[in-house]
Amino acid sequence: NAGVTQTPKFRILKIGQSMTLQCTQDMNHNYMYWYRQDPGMGLKLIYYSVGAGITDKGEVPNGYNVSRSTTEDFPLRLELAAPSQTSVYFCASRGNTGELFFGEGSRLTVL
Amino acid sequence: GDSVTQMEGPVTLSEEAFLTINCTYTATGYPSLFWYVQYPGEGLQLLLKATKADDKGSNKGFEATYRKETTSFHLEKGSVQVSDSAVYFCALSWMDSSYKLIFGSGTRLLVRP
Repeated sequence: NAGVTQTPKFRILKIGQSMTLQCTQDMNHNYMYWYRQDPGMGLKLIYYSVGAGITDKGEVPNGYNVSRSTTEDFPLRLELAAPSQTSVYFCASRGNTGELFFGEGSRLTVL
Repeated sequence: GDSVTQMEGPVTLSEEAFLTINCTYTATGYPSLFWYVQYPGEGLQLLLKATKADDKGSNKGFEATYRKETTSFHLEKGSVQVSDSAVYFCALSWMDSSYKLIFGSGTRLLVRP
């Protein structure tokens, strides 16, 4: 059972570059979330989606964009990468009992 | 706004010691409360939850009771093992249209043999 799959696991970007973090879930969950985790900090919500075609901003959306064309996929786009976006990014989906299922994370470094 | 406050770590214990990790929350009303655990190099996993006041969540020897009078959800375990070494996150969520989770900053637990 794959659950939530994120790619890539690691990436180094130069300032100003763009990239997309991929997230796929095979549990047919409607709700999906992108969080970032900075060292010694909790998780901050970037964007979320309550179903295909619907997305909304979280706590820290600036510098990011998302789309949700299918139930399975919820990619996160970074435009014009900045050092402040160096972080570990987690994608999650919500099950029927309220539990969030997390991917293994994508570690991004912007130099 | 809503927030979750956890005790700062790291917490270092010897194997078989008693564990308490404090968690308090600020919210209007009565959210659902969760403890998630993150093992090194992995994503977060649900450890336990409680959805209403006085509920006790339990799993793998860990327990936490939803105390509305003290707005707390402290995590406890009677006898920790080396394999419990991880980062523990307290979180709250509203059963609204988004089901967003608000996380505390996490508490690192290190258990020594």
